[in-house]
Amino acid sequence: SAVISQKPSRDICQRGTSLTIQCQVDSQVTMMFWYRQQPGQSLTLIATANQGSEATYESGFVIDKFPISRPNLTFSTLTVSNMSPEDSSIYLCSVAQLAGGYEQYFGPGTRLTVT
Amino acid sequence: LAKTTQPISMDSYEGQEVNITCSHNNIATNDYITWYQQFPSQGPRFIIQGYKTKVTNEVASLFIPADRKSSTLSLPRVSLSDTAVYYCLVGDRMDSSYKLIFGSGTRLLVRP
Repeated sequence: SAVISQKPSRDICQRGTSLTIQCQVDSQVTMMFWYRQQPGQSLTLIATANQGSEATYESGFVIDKFPISRPNLTFSTLTVSNMSPEDSSIYLCSVAQLAGGYEQYFGPGTRLTVT
Repeated sequence: LAKTTQPISMDSYEGQEVNITCSHNNIATNDYITWYQQFPSQGPRFIIQGYKTKVTNEVASLFIPADRKSSTLSLPRVSLSDTAVYYCLVGDRMDSSYKLIFGSGTRLLVRP
């Protein structure tokens, strides 16, 4: 199984600023995803960031607000731009590996608070 | 888009077997069924995955009937540490691109 780390683990930011979250995987993976989870809620998929192609955003999420980079098979970043208190959430990086069906593994998350 | 429906919450006691059922009426032919466990302040953790019939690992069993429109996660003899949210997911293969869409999950509370 893939081991995923995220930086920072948490941050408190002021509205109007931007934060870049890093995701590092211990093995090469093609399929990577970014999710958001608000307190007490389920996970919401923000975008799919497969290496070699542009990120694909889900309905309600746009590139200008959540730009994603995927420079290689072990690393990705998600930027939360022009933050507002509504962006306060946990952001999770995830990768999928094929093993029969796809098995998906998640990072520990980045807890973001916007004041 | 294959969606899942599962109970919002369940209560159990230590030592009991817990069965959580999930319905996925629109599952596609190539989709697998996967269950995840999530503790507070942690990312979801893969528990088990199956395509049809029964799958068992060291943690749980997964029962899938022939029509694959539902599945049941079985946790044998739960302990307090099994208190968590359990998500049933079906792989979404729209546009030949895999992704997982999470439903609301089932909050399992194990009591002493």
